[in-house]
Amino acid sequence: GAVVSQHPSWVICKSGTSVKIECRSLDFQATTMFWYRQFPKQSLMLMATSNEGSKATYEQGVEKDKFLINHASLTLSTLTVTSAHPEDSSFYICSGRGDFGETQYFGPGTRLLVL
Amino acid sequence: QQQVKQSPQSLIVQKGGISIINCAYENTAFDYFPWYQQFPGKGPALLIAIRPDVSEKKEGRFTISFNKSAKQFSLHIMDSQPGDSATYFCAASANFGNEKLTFGTGTRLTIIP
Repeated sequence: GAVVSQHPSWVICKSGTSVKIECRSLDFQATTMFWYRQFPKQSLMLMATSNEGSKATYEQGVEKDKFLINHASLTLSTLTVTSAHPEDSSFYICSGRGDFGETQYFGPGTRLLVL
Repeated sequence: QQQVKQSPQSLIVQKGGISIINCAYENTAFDYFPWYQQFPGKGPALLIAIRPDVSEKKEGRFTISFNKSAKQFSLHIMDSQPGDSATYFCAASANFGNEKLTFGTGTRLTIIP
């Protein structure tokens, strides 16, 4: 299957700082990328959907000014958590989907801990 | 109507047995049903997926059974192995998978020797 990478795999930051997470599709062009959040022992919660070159579409209840998403190319999307607080600590996972099918390929996730 | 209900929440199966996880949906617009496997600290990986034009799809030890009239689908893992111990999520999407995925709540599967 297609490969999606995320960087960093884990990050610890102080409250009030911003953190950027990168998501890359390594061997396919991801026309659509998705960002999810997962709390321990819970399901994946979709945060936003982004299409290359367009503004992201955020799910209800997700603050777009806090979670900035950029999908500047067909292989790269970034999620920036601005002014992070302890309640933003979570496992963030991205996925990419190409034009060739319906399958979403997920990255390995980024664990964020805000102190 | 967007929910996908998954059961059981957790499942313990003996090695060599059959693991069965069930999902039900309400939205009749759903037409793509994937199953994902997730190990602790990792992202989900696609296991197998089905569209409603078939009632069953098999890939190796993994089989999806699909009942369109009942709006239910299930994952069967034959000859379950300790390496299958993971969390499994069913999901559903509309417009041939071009819409966002709606995930079930997950099933934590443990295979015991």
